[in-house]
Amino acid sequence: QKEVEQNSGPLSVPEGAIASLNCTYSDRGSQSFFWYRQYSGKSPELIMFIYSNGDKEDGRFTAQLNKASQYVSLLIRDSQPSDSATYLCAVLDNAGNMLTFGGGTRLMVKP
Amino acid sequence: DAGVIQSPRHEVTEMGQEVTLRCKPISGHNSLFWYRQTMMRGLELLIYFNNNVPIDDSGMPEDRFSAKMPNASFSTLKIQPSEPRDSAVYFCASSLPGTGDRELFFGEGSRLTVL
Repeated sequence: QKEVEQNSGPLSVPEGAIASLNCTYSDRGSQSFFWYRQYSGKSPELIMFIYSNGDKEDGRFTAQLNKASQYVSLLIRDSQPSDSATYLCAVLDNAGNMLTFGGGTRLMVKP
Repeated sequence: DAGVIQSPRHEVTEMGQEVTLRCKPISGHNSLFWYRQTMMRGLELLIYFNNNVPIDDSGMPEDRFSAKMPNASFSTLKIQPSEPRDSAVYFCASSLPGTGDRELFFGEGSRLTVL
């Protein structure tokens, strides 16, 4: 059973702070990793993906990948109340077909 | 583009009834996925299709669940007979063929309540 684990939260941060969201995965052969955001009552939407070790930045978002530790994280700089949502980590299997999601971390950004 | 279209958005039915959920993927996308989301189990992949062919249905909970994709623009997920534990939000998603950067585009979901 391929697993993707996230702390369910809620993670509460003040407005303007850095939010750090973490994810671990069990399939060492996984190659691609995704972060989705899901607002309450809405469908998930892609924030960014990463497949190389290290950091990848996109605006206020930075994804970090460490394949040796089977760990991927998402940093949100200058957090805004509009960032309050559930963040889902997803891992693509070796064949590039199936995306397995973690349970999600609920983020609350307080003004 | 209209995005992935799902219907119905909400369905309330009684135990034992047949439920059919429908999905129209984004035009040109050749992969289609059915996911189920609950508070307890999160987002679970039920089945996915490539070029209208079911590739992996290992996530389908039991024989009461079936899915079809008769053509590139339409898919159904059927539950017969339905049970209260089937209550969940069912998402359909589609994507272009790809490997490392496969982005799934999700529909708005069908919220199913089985009484």
